[in-house]
Amino acid sequence: EIVLTQSPGTLSLSPGERATLSCRASQSVSSNYLAWYQQKPGQAPRLLIYGASNRATGIPDRFSGSGSGTDFTLTIRRLEPEDFAVYYCQQYGSSPRLTFGGGTKVEIK
Amino acid sequence: EVQLVESGGGLVQPGGSLRLSCAASGFTFSSCSMDWVRQAPGKGLEWVSYISGSSTIYYADSVKGRFSISRDNAKNSLHLQMNSLRAEDTAVYYCVKMGSSGSLDFWGQGTLVTVSS
Repeated sequence: EIVLTQSPGTLSLSPGERATLSCRASQSVSSNYLAWYQQKPGQAPRLLIYGASNRATGIPDRFSGSGSGTDFTLTIRRLEPEDFAVYYCQQYGSSPRLTFGGGTKVEIK
Repeated sequence: EVQLVESGGGLVQPGGSLRLSCAASGFTFSSCSMDWVRQAPGKGLEWVSYISGSSTIYYADSVKGRFSISRDNAKNSLHLQMNSLRAEDTAVYYCVKMGSSGSLDFWGQGTLVTVSS
């Protein structure tokens, strides 16, 4: 079973700052089947990044994903007020079919 | 526009059953893999089950033997039959469409299942 560990658990930053979120897998993620989601309180998650580095439709270019194998990163270049939320990584592959990381909360400092 | 609308949630006693449904529109449902993902109150996301367009099925270990996923491609609908429900199954259940590279590109608004006596 692939376990995804996200760090840090909470990131306290100010608008305009750069956010760097980490997602580490216990085994190599096949074909870079790694995605990132944003979730705001009371809302369903929203897909940001798929295939480790591809922005989903309508996602601003301040969001970028990178990494391969077991180490992946989501970067938010300059935080906007609407970016303060919880972020999850997710892998797709062998059993179990999908797993999520525990999440990183990006909060206003 | 892709729309996923869940229904069927509610309060059920431990050991009881519930059937969730998801009405899909705005895309070619029969060609797409679908998932159920849940989120317990104040917790993270947990994958529950997957079904491909041709009905290949997978379950999380936590629900295997108790939950059953199915789809009706003629009616563009997805279902989750949940039996032997436990308190730890309490969560918002999301119907989700699978997109490129194993990502989950469209989510419903979720339906709350509460298992309590």
